[in-house]
Amino acid sequence: GAGVSQSPSNKVTEKGKDVELRCDPISGHTALYWYRQSLGQGLEFLIYFQGNSAPDKSGLPSDRFSAERTGGSVSTLTIQRTQQEDSAVYLCASLYLGGPNTGELFFGEGSRLTVL
Amino acid sequence: AQSVSQHNHHVILSEAASLELGCNYSYGGTVNLFWYVQYPGQHLQLLLKYFSGDPLVKGIKGFEAEFIKSKFSFNLRKPSVQWSDTAEYFCAVTPSGGYNKLIFGAGTRLAVHP
Repeated sequence: GAGVSQSPSNKVTEKGKDVELRCDPISGHTALYWYRQSLGQGLEFLIYFQGNSAPDKSGLPSDRFSAERTGGSVSTLTIQRTQQEDSAVYLCASLYLGGPNTGELFFGEGSRLTVL
Repeated sequence: AQSVSQHNHHVILSEAASLELGCNYSYGGTVNLFWYVQYPGQHLQLLLKYFSGDPLVKGIKGFEAEFIKSKFSFNLRKPSVQWSDTAEYFCAVTPSGGYNKLIFGAGTRLAVHP
């Protein structure tokens, strides 16, 4: 597709369950970012991938959160033993670093997670 | 650590009014600055960016922003807003040459009434 694709768009889960959120970036984009958007909190940086490696994981809130990226493309954000405070919209963005330095992140529409 | 502060959380204007949204950042080195916009029900998209050169940057839809280095500010302006400008606006910063982390402000919700 032409844009960043995220799935599921909506996920409702029970406290304590694990969830996986998927991001399919724009083809050829080498950098991939995960952010969390909570009401009134803006965008909270979670993790950044360059290729398949994650040079910056500093934003992951706890060890219940993990992310991986395979083949320099699709990324999965996993939240284990979900808590109610994990409820938020999880945004993925990608960026092509090999060309002119535009700095423009292309965002997906997000995955809205609700933990009951 | 870098941080971004947006002073106005909610702004309500009538059409044709002028707009200025404040943004201040905290970082000691050279930075790249951005404004992103999120229209209702849509994904975030870039409004304008500053890397270097002329500190007055023009973006899409008549928006502009001015980088004032001495004030660590990058305020967004539009001389005459329209109803279609109703959206949430986010200021963001990253160190020049680095893309480890684009740090966003908390956002400003703008409502424009006809």
